[in-house]
Amino acid sequence: DAGVIQSPRHEVTEMGQEVTLRCKPISGHDYLFWYRQTMMRGLELLIYFNNNVPIDDSGMPEDRFSAKMPNASFSTLKIQPSEPRDSAVYFCASSAVSLAGGSQQYFGPGTRLTVT
Amino acid sequence: GESVGLHLPTLSVQEGDNSIINCAYSNSASDYFIWYKQESGKGPQFIIDIRSNMDKRQGQRVTVLLNKTVKHLSLQIAATQPGDSAVYFCAVSRGLTGGGNKLTFGTGTQLKVEL
Repeated sequence: DAGVIQSPRHEVTEMGQEVTLRCKPISGHDYLFWYRQTMMRGLELLIYFNNNVPIDDSGMPEDRFSAKMPNASFSTLKIQPSEPRDSAVYFCASSAVSLAGGSQQYFGPGTRLTVT
Repeated sequence: GESVGLHLPTLSVQEGDNSIINCAYSNSASDYFIWYKQESGKGPQFIIDIRSNMDKRQGQRVTVLLNKTVKHLSLQIAATQPGDSAVYFCAVSRGLTGGGNKLTFGTGTQLKVEL
């Protein structure tokens, strides 16, 4: 398996522009997570899906952020309009359900977003 | 909610020595614990995990210890090598009592291996 795939790996955009980050989870995984990582705030969970349904979006900073999962193999995180404070590395992760409760998440390589 | 913290933001060790990275969590209902390693420019990578019905688990050169009484876990790396230099995160979840596979991450400890 190729692991979690994210695109683009790097994105540089101007303030006010729309940004779309993409993720392909590992085949067969039921959960998909979007994280944001910055030096100041560390690794923050933005939203996660179970079987393509958003379960918890309490980490989404504001209405400028939205995420979708139209099918089991694809998810997007959109920022519109983007602002300089959105500059961060965005990770997508996926995991499989565990009857024992809790299981490891597999992370993608991340998208480094720079908003100027 | 859950909060997870590491005791030291940076740890420097000599090559060949053992490393110990500590982590504290707040929610006694947490039942699944995991350590990740993150190298520069990469995503977090799984190292080892442990469930609440255990207090010790060993992998290749790594051991995780769990003390549920004081809500503390540690990662021990034996014979630390230059390739172990990275940021290490602990993460916890309470998969059996709620939250599904959601993990709460600590702030990370930067491990520096000196030659």
